[in-house]
Amino acid sequence: AQSVTQPDIHITVSEGASLELRCNYSYGATPYLFWYVQSPGQGLQLLLKYFSGDTLVQGIKGFEAEFKRSQSSFNLRKPSVHWSDAAEYFCAVGAKGNTPLVFGKGTRLSVIA
Amino acid sequence: EPEVTQTPSHQVTQMGQEVILRCVPISNHLYFYWYRQILGQKVEFLVSFYNNEISEKSEIFDDQFSVERPDGSNFTLKIRSTKLEDSAMYFCASRTAISGNTIYFGEGSWLTVV
Repeated sequence: AQSVTQPDIHITVSEGASLELRCNYSYGATPYLFWYVQSPGQGLQLLLKYFSGDTLVQGIKGFEAEFKRSQSSFNLRKPSVHWSDAAEYFCAVGAKGNTPLVFGKGTRLSVIA
Repeated sequence: EPEVTQTPSHQVTQMGQEVILRCVPISNHLYFYWYRQILGQKVEFLVSFYNNEISEKSEIFDDQFSVERPDGSNFTLKIRSTKLEDSAMYFCASRTAISGNTIYFGEGSWLTVV
């Protein structure tokens, strides 16, 4: 069965520090991978996606993610975190077509001064 | 930028009452979805809808749930007889037929059943 694991429930980083949020997936077919962000009281905003090609993908707000097939991972990174990045981050996996997305449990990011 | 809009943003209802959550998907999108997120838990798929019929549904989407596209713009989720455990954030989402599987989500409708 498809599954997504985000091993870190909560991460706290200092403003200006680098960030890496981990995501591991289990998926039988070739996966499509996504990162969404949810600010408090807000909906899910797409940060970036990977379908094929270059395994390092760039997204909005300075985020990037790298697909590593051998490790079944799709970790999200940002070189310098801003206080406005504090939010919940969800990794999701799907496939071509109408396959529903499967989400991880999310990682809550706190940013301190 | 076009967006998925949902109403109401928050609704409180008594157990056993019927609730209708409304969504206006992005105008050129053809696939529509409902997901839900119980507080503190992961986002879960409920149902997908295409060409005026359900294309897939999860185990959560039992007989108390129904979806409808009553006109060319709205997409609704009805919960016939709400239970306490239906309290959750309900997200509507949509996508085009040509954008791969990129799904765009609305801001959610927070349902509280008391």
